[in-house]
Amino acid sequence: DSGVTQTPKHLITATGQRVTLRCSPRSGDLSVYWYQQSLDQGLQFLIQYYNGEERAKGNILERFSAQQFPDLHSELNLSSLELGDSALYFCASSVASGGAQETQYFGPGTRLLVL
Amino acid sequence: AQSVTQLGSHVSVSEGALVLLRCNYSSSVPPYLFWYVQYPNQGLQLLLKYTSAATLVKGINGFEAEFKKSETSFHLTKPSAHMSDAAEYFCAVKTGSSASKIIFGSGTRLSIRP
Repeated sequence: DSGVTQTPKHLITATGQRVTLRCSPRSGDLSVYWYQQSLDQGLQFLIQYYNGEERAKGNILERFSAQQFPDLHSELNLSSLELGDSALYFCASSVASGGAQETQYFGPGTRLLVL
Repeated sequence: AQSVTQLGSHVSVSEGALVLLRCNYSSSVPPYLFWYVQYPNQGLQLLLKYTSAATLVKGINGFEAEFKKSETSFHLTKPSAHMSDAAEYFCAVKTGSSASKIIFGSGTRLSIRP
């Protein structure tokens, strides 16, 4: 158990809908990262928040957005969902701002299925 | 740009045999390299990481990896495979220029034959 929690574990929804994925980092960790794992794209970095502020951005679509709240939990919002958004979404956390040597600890993921 | 290439999407070994999972990296600056393992229906767990100290890195569950700059490789090995090692393994890289994000390889699925 990494100490990173994600809810829900599974989510089934329809195209065009909007969903929110939630992540709680390990106690004391200030950074939260979001990754998408799909069969065709593999594991891809989406976005990082550090202490409430956006820190780094990866291959995140404009339909997707995230935020980190004062209690450091984070939410990933996915809107206007398409079939291709079906994937496993991971959250990870690290102790500080994400330096090269920092370890990222991953949560169990949220499996999203868009029908 | 940094990248990692994992050779072999699927590796099958017998129980008790040597495990060798191959990873080559590309980076214009000294890299930080990681191996993660993903068991079925679970998240990623860090096996080991190289951060420019010793070139031979020991990780959990008997795994180790050796950083070879001349070969731009960071292969993962385990002397004797166990049935519980069956999982997907990901090699990953971070560098100082993009320290926040991890760039993952495509993964290698390890199967263990009884």
